[in-house]
Amino acid sequence: SQTIHQWPATLVQPVGSPLSLECTVEGTSNPNLYWYRQAAGRGLQLLFYSVGIGQISSEVPQNLSASRPQDRQFILSSKKLLLSDSGFYLCAWTVGTGDGYTFGSGTRLTVV
Amino acid sequence: QKEVEQDPGPLSVPEGAIVSLNCTYSNSAFQYFMWYRQYSRKGPELLMYTYSSGNKEDGRFTAQVDKSSKYISLFIRDSQPSDSATYLCAMKNFNKFYFGSGTKLNVKP
Repeated sequence: SQTIHQWPATLVQPVGSPLSLECTVEGTSNPNLYWYRQAAGRGLQLLFYSVGIGQISSEVPQNLSASRPQDRQFILSSKKLLLSDSGFYLCAWTVGTGDGYTFGSGTRLTVV
Repeated sequence: QKEVEQDPGPLSVPEGAIVSLNCTYSNSAFQYFMWYRQYSRKGPELLMYTYSSGNKEDGRFTAQVDKSSKYISLFIRDSQPSDSATYLCAMKNFNKFYFGSGTKLNVKP
């Protein structure tokens, strides 16, 4: 079966510290992968998406970056976190154009 | 104008009520329409997925799409306290998704 793993579930980081969030997908090949951020009480904001290894599209200018070192691995990073980076980060995947998203369980990031 | 508009609520109903959740959109090129349910501190889960105008039923849930009016709805029959969550509508054009901001639903026992 197809599953998506996202970790950690909760993270508290000081301002200026680095960030690495990881997402892996099982049970499918060549998925489209996405990183979203959901601020409290607000909608989903698309940050990055990838249609293949090494292919990253950025939707919003920010101090975050994404990488896809393997087909089913998607990493969200930052060199120096800002207070405004706090939020609920969600990884998602689809296969093909006719699918809905499958979301991971999310990482709640608090920058202090 | 936002691509997708959704009333944030909150919407509070008694157990057993019929719930109607709605979204409007501006882009006539949207091809796929979805409803997601998100419990607190969890990732959204796909509830309904439709491609064309008309109704799609799955148990107590019915998704309705009216492309001519650019309007989609989700109906929940016999609502249960376990339906209390935030409901997000979403629309898709090629590989890009557009989400509503979500409607928070509270079903009171």
